[in-house]
Amino acid sequence: DVQVAESGGGIVQPGGSLRLSCVASGFTFSEYWMHWVRQAPGEALMWISRVNNDGTTTYADSVKGRFTISRDDAKNTVYLQMNSLRDDDTATYYCARGATAGTWPVLDPWGPGTLVTVSS
Amino acid sequence: IQMTQSPSSLSASVGDRVTITCRAGQRISTYLNWYQQKSGTAPKLLIFGSSNVQTGVPSRFSGSGSGTDFTLTISSLQPEDFGTYYCQQSYSSPYTFGQGTKLEIK
Repeated sequence: DVQVAESGGGIVQPGGSLRLSCVASGFTFSEYWMHWVRQAPGEALMWISRVNNDGTTTYADSVKGRFTISRDDAKNTVYLQMNSLRDDDTATYYCARGATAGTWPVLDPWGPGTLVTVSS
Repeated sequence: IQMTQSPSSLSASVGDRVTITCRAGQRISTYLNWYQQKSGTAPKLLIFGSSNVQTGVPSRFSGSGSGTDFTLTISSLQPEDFGTYYCQQSYSSPYTFGQGTKLEIK
């Protein structure tokens, strides 16, 4: 079964840091891009970051300079290091595999998500 | 690329034909995916490349469109189809999502 699963969420004070992990199984991790998407309570999905299989990274403007995505192919794991956290970073964070269906990039599958709450 | 869905919410009866639209802020060819999300769970891929139904998705789901205007259609609404539907463009980074359409069953 192709699966991804996040961990590392929790409660953190404004200005603090947190590192999320996402472990993958059931596929050759090193061959795939990996993405992070977040969803604030009651809000829409928001793509925030991607790491290509060659290590190239991309970020949404809202997290650039504060968040860092990385991968460890030996551990089948992608990470999201989040620094200088703000109240509006409060969200459920999803990890998703970047696959290609036909010739079209898709996010599939997604993990169950991990909740990050930024609050004093 | 900004993605705009309409309506934001709708309520329909079992058996109804339901259509959700998604408009891209620039032309994206057929690089348009649809996801279904049920409350408290992860999104699930329904349609990719505008009109291709993901394996395992019921045939009552279909998609169409190219360029800037796209539609997701449920031909005969079933009780298990409640949830929120999101379009997403994968034409260029960042892979932006629409604001979602919340579908409720009457």
